[in-house]
Amino acid sequence: AQSVTQLDSQVPVFEEAPVELRCNYSSSVSVYLFWYVQYPNQGLQLLLKYLSGSTLVKGINGFEAEFNKSQTSFHLRKPSVHISDTAEYFCAVSRTGRDDKIIFGKGTRLHILP
Amino acid sequence: NAGVTQTPKFQVLKTGQSMTLQCAQDMNHNSMYWYRQDPGMGLRLIYYSASEGTTDKGEVPNGYNVSRLNKREFSLRLESAAPSQTSVYFCASSRPLYEQYFGPGTRLTVT
Repeated sequence: AQSVTQLDSQVPVFEEAPVELRCNYSSSVSVYLFWYVQYPNQGLQLLLKYLSGSTLVKGINGFEAEFNKSQTSFHLRKPSVHISDTAEYFCAVSRTGRDDKIIFGKGTRLHILP
Repeated sequence: NAGVTQTPKFQVLKTGQSMTLQCAQDMNHNSMYWYRQDPGMGLRLIYYSASEGTTDKGEVPNGYNVSRLNKREFSLRLESAAPSQTSVYFCASSRPLYEQYFGPGTRLTVT
């Protein structure tokens, strides 16, 4: 079975500073990886996904993530955050070539400090 | 395209009451899902439906039933609500092996 660990429940960062949100996964089979963002009082929306190919994936709003198979990680990064990035971020994993179920991490709340 | 819509947006129930949460999608997706979101717990899958006419249990199905009425609609029913079911409920849909699209959520309080 797959599992996802988001190592930080909350991350405070100053506006215009870089940020990294950490995600590790566990799986005995090949996986697809996702990052979703949830703005206050809204549903989740996809930031970026890794299905195959290049291990560096670029998403919306200037975010990117790198798939590292040897370290089973998929950390999310942004070089300069804005106050509008205040949200909760969820890492998620699903099995390749199998059913559509996605396993979500518990989320990381990003606080942008002025 | 409206995407994924959910009704109602908010609901307060007394313990023991029943209700149905409605979900519809207009993206012609085969797969649909119901999740609950609780503080510090992330999203937990309640039930999912890989296609019209099929449903399967997820991680936390106890106390819930679902109906995949047609390809567009997937409803979640609480037969006898309990305070432990106070949560935010999200419906989602997807094409096979692709990302999920989420509705805006239903905030349910059971007193």
